[in-house]
Amino acid sequence: ETGVTQSPTHLIKTRGQQVTLRCSSQSGHNTVSWYQQALGQGPQFIFQYYREEENGRGNFPPRFSGLQFPNYSSELNVNALELDDSALYLCASSLRREQETQYFGPGTRLLVL
Amino acid sequence: DQQVKQNSPSLSVQEGRISILNCDYTNSMFDYFLWYKKYPAEGPTFLISISSIKDKNEDGRFTVFLNKSAKHLSLHIVPSQPGDSAVYFCAASGGRETSGSRLTFGEGTQLTVNP
Repeated sequence: ETGVTQSPTHLIKTRGQQVTLRCSSQSGHNTVSWYQQALGQGPQFIFQYYREEENGRGNFPPRFSGLQFPNYSSELNVNALELDDSALYLCASSLRREQETQYFGPGTRLLVL
Repeated sequence: DQQVKQNSPSLSVQEGRISILNCDYTNSMFDYFLWYKKYPAEGPTFLISISSIKDKNEDGRFTVFLNKSAKHLSLHIVPSQPGDSAVYFCAASGGRETSGSRLTFGEGTQLTVNP
């Protein structure tokens, strides 16, 4: 059974640029959630995707957007990057939308200069 | 508005002794609680969970206790081992009709188990 994978592992961008992060969910999992973890804090919920549709969104601006594909993999897109977007971005998958236990990938470390 | 709080940023314990990590929450809609362990440069790893219909759940060396009236949960690790040294996050979910199964996390507690 393959776990959650994310790419890339690290990324450096400059303010104003756009970034796309990718996630492959654990085998058989149809729900993907994205979290942002700033240094010294717990992960903060960005949004969740279920069967290619957004299924809940946290307190993040519209420049944070996402996609889920038919194979349940997902992308997180961030436009007009700001310095405060520097963080670890975590993807998590769960077996079904109603299941609370989420399994996390290793994350993508984004640095915005 | 910090709905899940872990008031101890760090905890140091001797190998073989009990580690007790605490977590408080304010949102009465939360009905499912989880503990995750995180090593540096890795994603959080699921440890153990508890539903609000229970007050205790055990899995090997890990036990989670839930006190709904106090809106408090704790994770007990017995016996503690040096490999348990990591950041531990408490997380909660609830109100799935409006918020999906999003997890709300605490700030984490750094556990250090000394040999």
